[in-house]
Amino acid sequence: ETGVTQTPRHLVMGMTNKKSLKCEQHLGHNAMYWYKQSAKKPLELMFVYSLEERVENNSVPSRFSPECPNSSHLFLHLHTLQPEDSALYLCASSQLWEGQPDTQYFGPGTRLTVL
Amino acid sequence: RKEVEQDPGPFNVPEGATVAFNCTYSNSASQSFFWYRQDCRKEPKLLMSVYSSGNEDGRFTAQLNRASQYISLLIRDSKLSDSATYLCVVISYSSASKIIFGSGTRLSIRP
Repeated sequence: ETGVTQTPRHLVMGMTNKKSLKCEQHLGHNAMYWYKQSAKKPLELMFVYSLEERVENNSVPSRFSPECPNSSHLFLHLHTLQPEDSALYLCASSQLWEGQPDTQYFGPGTRLTVL
Repeated sequence: RKEVEQDPGPFNVPEGATVAFNCTYSNSASQSFFWYRQDCRKEPKLLMSVYSSGNEDGRFTAQLNRASQYISLLIRDSKLSDSATYLCVVISYSSASKIIFGSGTRLSIRP
């Protein structure tokens, strides 16, 4: 399936590194999302972008910095992460109808390990 | 109290059995409900939306009970391939849409 793609699929980084996660959606949606999924915890919504504008930021530490250059691409820039940030980072997209999200489609995720 | 709660399971049932699980939500203003399926180390995939009138898709039936604030998923004639974690999603529309995932119910179908 190529609806929502994410790269890289796996990433190991040290606490002093800077890296970026990339997401691309080919579904023509107008909203994109970053989620974090830690072991034995529910998915946590991190950021929501609608038409390249951030509409939601759920108290995420500043070491995570999103960027949405256009409606098809979403980045998550990472710097000075902590070991507890190790998780699966999932990107999703959906159509937003007057601010209300429709069904979300997820990318395969990036499994991040912070050493 | 969590905003969305699911029994984590695991539910371990024989092939061919019928299994059902619920998902309760605390916000009475919630308006959209979904069931997703997540296989081990994979991304969540939409299983079905949950409508007020209930809906059925093959062996799967989803229902919404607004009075008691829960949604349910019923799987009939379970297959080995149904083994997965089932996530419920509740969306509330207020000043900003709020999307809450449950922590999931693990289902394991044995031969």
